[in-house]
Amino acid sequence: LAKTTQPISMDSYEGQEVNITCSHNNIATNDYITWYQQFPSQGPRFIIQGYKTKVTNEVASLFIPADRKSSTLSLPRVSLSDTAVYYCLVGESGSQGNLIFGKGTKLSVKP
Amino acid sequence: GAVVSQHPSWVICKSGTSVKIECRSLDFQATTMFWYRQFPKQSLMLMATSNEGSKATYEQGVEKDKFLINHASLTLSTLTVTSAHPEDSSFYICSARDPRGGETQYFGPGTRLLVL
Repeated sequence: LAKTTQPISMDSYEGQEVNITCSHNNIATNDYITWYQQFPSQGPRFIIQGYKTKVTNEVASLFIPADRKSSTLSLPRVSLSDTAVYYCLVGESGSQGNLIFGKGTKLSVKP
Repeated sequence: GAVVSQHPSWVICKSGTSVKIECRSLDFQATTMFWYRQFPKQSLMLMATSNEGSKATYEQGVEKDKFLINHASLTLSTLTVTSAHPEDSSFYICSARDPRGGETQYFGPGTRLLVL
């Protein structure tokens, strides 16, 4: 399973765009990249998943370069309620494989 | 997205007792569910993989006789912490793969266990 590396923490202000980058140098051909958000004392919430290039949904965008060795989660116009820990995970979709959580990035949004 | 529920949301028990936690996929069938444990200010740690109709697969260092997992149906997996001790106090989270959407994992809200 590919290991991921993310910044431990990030600070931002309301209304700003936040980009969190994740490194996964050993990503395998069949691996997908998935991002989760976790608030204290809650289970992780699925944000977005992608394999290559760009994926966008109503919550975020995910940018994946051609070599797929990194990915960037982009949160447009963050609010105070976006303060949470964000996890980048890499794993094979559709298989029996499990997801291994790294330490995640604690995002703090200030007014 | 898919919905996964857990029950109870929190439980307090005396040392030596057993506690059962339920994980349900509400709007999809899940042949595979996962159980995680999370200590304060730490990341989630995978405990075991629960497969419907077969034995669970435990991660290294997780005692299978202490953490009993049963996946009796395609929508329910249970984790029983047997003879719980204070060091078992933690946040237990389950997840399930939704086969309708690329097998993405969806997580339950978690169960806070406090063993006195």
